[in-house]
Formats: sequence, C-alpha cells, structure tokens
Amino acid sequence: NAGVTQTPKFRVLKTGQSMTLLCAQDMNHEYMYWYRQDPGMGLRLIHYSVGEGTTAKGEVPDGYNVSRLKKQNFLLGLESAAPSQTSVYFCASSTELEGTDTQYFGPGTRLTVL
Amino acid sequence: AQSVTQLGSHVSVSEGALVLLRCNYSSSVPPYLFWYVQYPNQGLQLLLKYTSAATLVKGINGFEAEFKKSETSFHLTKPSAHMSDAAEYFCAVSDPYGNNRLAFGKGNQVVVIP
Repeated sequence: NAGVTQTPKFRVLKTGQSMTLLCAQDMNHEYMYWYRQDPGMGLRLIHYSVGEGTTAKGEVPDGYNVSRLKKQNFLLGLESAAPSQTSVYFCASSTELEGTDTQYFGPGTRLTVL
Repeated sequence: AQSVTQLGSHVSVSEGALVLLRCNYSSSVPPYLFWYVQYPNQGLQLLLKYTSAATLVKGINGFEAEFKKSETSFHLTKPSAHMSDAAEYFCAVSDPYGNNRLAFGKGNQVVVIP
C-alpha cells in the first residue's frame, strides 16, 4: 500500500495563477483532509470531506476550493494564488470512526507563490 | 471549541536525558488527544493517542504520555533522548462529535545535543 500520496511535491506559482493539488489514498478511508503548515502556526485545517461527493470548510478555507469526486481522491484548488498562500500543504485521511481514529498524512507539497 | 497549547517552540535536550514536551488542552467535551511527530521533509505520523481508556499511553520509539484531567494536560515524555528523536512534535485534540477533525498545537522543534 502506498498510503497517502500527494502530487506535486514542489511548485512555484506567480501571483494570480491557478493550480490543483492532488491527494490520493489507497486505504479505502472515508474521511480526507487538507491542511496547511506555516512556521510557528502548527497545522490548520483548510477543508475536509466525510465521504465521496461531500466537502466542508475547515479553519482557513478562504482562497481554496476542493472536490471529492472519487472516494480515493481529494483535490485542493487555488483559483488565483496569492503570496499568503505560500505554505506546505498536507493531505490526510482516516476511517469514519468519530474522534478516535488516526489520521494518515501524505508527504506534503511545498508551494511558493511569488 | 477544542484547542491545545504547546509552550516553547524549540526544545534542546542532551542525548540520554529526559525528553518532556508539554501539552495543555481546552475542550468542552471529554477529549481525544494525540501526539504526532514530523521528521524533516516528511509528513506527520502518529506517536500515540488517548481515547478514554488507560490514562498512561505508550507509543512508538519509547515515548509515552499521561492524560491528567485535573490539570487538562497530556505531556509527552521519553526517559532517554536519542539523536534520532530530533524532529517536530505536535499535540492535537479531536472533537469526538466533530467528524474526526483535529486541532493542532503550534509544535515543538526538538534538538538533541550529542
């Protein structure tokens, strides 16, 4: 099992450009999450999904959109990138157990917006 | 809303000495608590978790944590630090009724001094 994979690993964008980050998991998990990690801020939840076809806002959703068309994939989109979106983005997944389940993380995508 | 506080962004410890990382939580319901570790340029992986069973929880790599309700704490310890313990450590709290979302602390960067 590959677990949780993320593509790309690195990306540099110019302000105003758009891009999509792809997260894939092969563990048949229902729940998937997108976080951003900034120095001294820990991880903050951007959006999450509790199942195929569903999405919900997290703590810092502005400027991002997501889609979960297939159970195994969770896409994070930036329609018009801004320098404030320079960050490391992590995807995670878990089963449907409420509150107790381990989240499994991908290796991250390092995004720089110039 | 659930939250956790980790004090001291950088923690230096001598090889062979006790590792102690403090985590205090705030929760309106009985919490589920987690410690995750992040090695350089990697995603997060679970060290241990408390899910209302035993208050002393043992994790991987010799780490353990004790849940103390009276002190609203979940401190992480390891009796003897190893060079391989150099990493960033995050405490997180889950809302048992909130779709398995996690609220992370800001993290502790552990440096092990030979």
